[in-house]
Amino acid sequence: QVRLVQSGAEVRKPGASVKISCQTSGYSFIAYFIQWVRQVPGQGPEWVGRINPNDGRTSYARKFEGRVSMTRDMSSKTVFLEVTSLTPEDTAIFYCARDRMTVLSASEFWGQGTLITVSP
Amino acid sequence: DIVLTQSPDTLSLSPGESATLSCRASQSFRSYQLAWYQQKPGQAPRLLIYDISNRATGTPGRFSGSGSGADFTLTISRLEPEDFAVYYCQQHSVTPQTFGQGTKVEIK
Repeated sequence: QVRLVQSGAEVRKPGASVKISCQTSGYSFIAYFIQWVRQVPGQGPEWVGRINPNDGRTSYARKFEGRVSMTRDMSSKTVFLEVTSLTPEDTAIFYCARDRMTVLSASEFWGQGTLITVSP
Repeated sequence: DIVLTQSPDTLSLSPGESATLSCRASQSFRSYQLAWYQQKPGQAPRLLIYDISNRATGTPGRFSGSGSGADFTLTISRLEPEDFAVYYCQQHSVTPQTFGQGTKVEIK
């Protein structure tokens, strides 16, 4: 079955960077886009960006451009999200999600989420 | 960016009642690319409806989606106890994809 398993919670100080992972299994890794979504507790989800695991091409939301980087490792079928210059406002749960179809579509499969806490 | 505005913010209903949730877009887009998600505390969002009206795998038949243009609706007929949650609409037609702010369906 399709599974997305994310790395554990992280705590960082303001100005630091963090890199989290999303290991996939149960489907053809290169066939489906992976989206990253941020959710501040009590608020709606917010799109961070996406990666095409087939060629590594990415698209980022304007507000995160220059501060996030998405990469993938073909051998482990894992995608990574790195966020730099963290501020307390980045405290949120970050989810990876796989599209329903092999073209851009709704996100059908989700990771369990990774809580990133940014605190002095 | 396309802003999705959901209404109401909160719906207080009893089990067995029906719920009607609204999602309005700030501009037109290829409107079939509209989805609805359910989220419960401590869980990731779960896809319920895609392409306006298609139920995702495992979505019960009491959930239905409709709409066109810039106005979309999620209807839950005969609320079950497990349906009390927060619901989000999402458009993925135009980058960046965007979500509504959510409607909480709570037990009255």
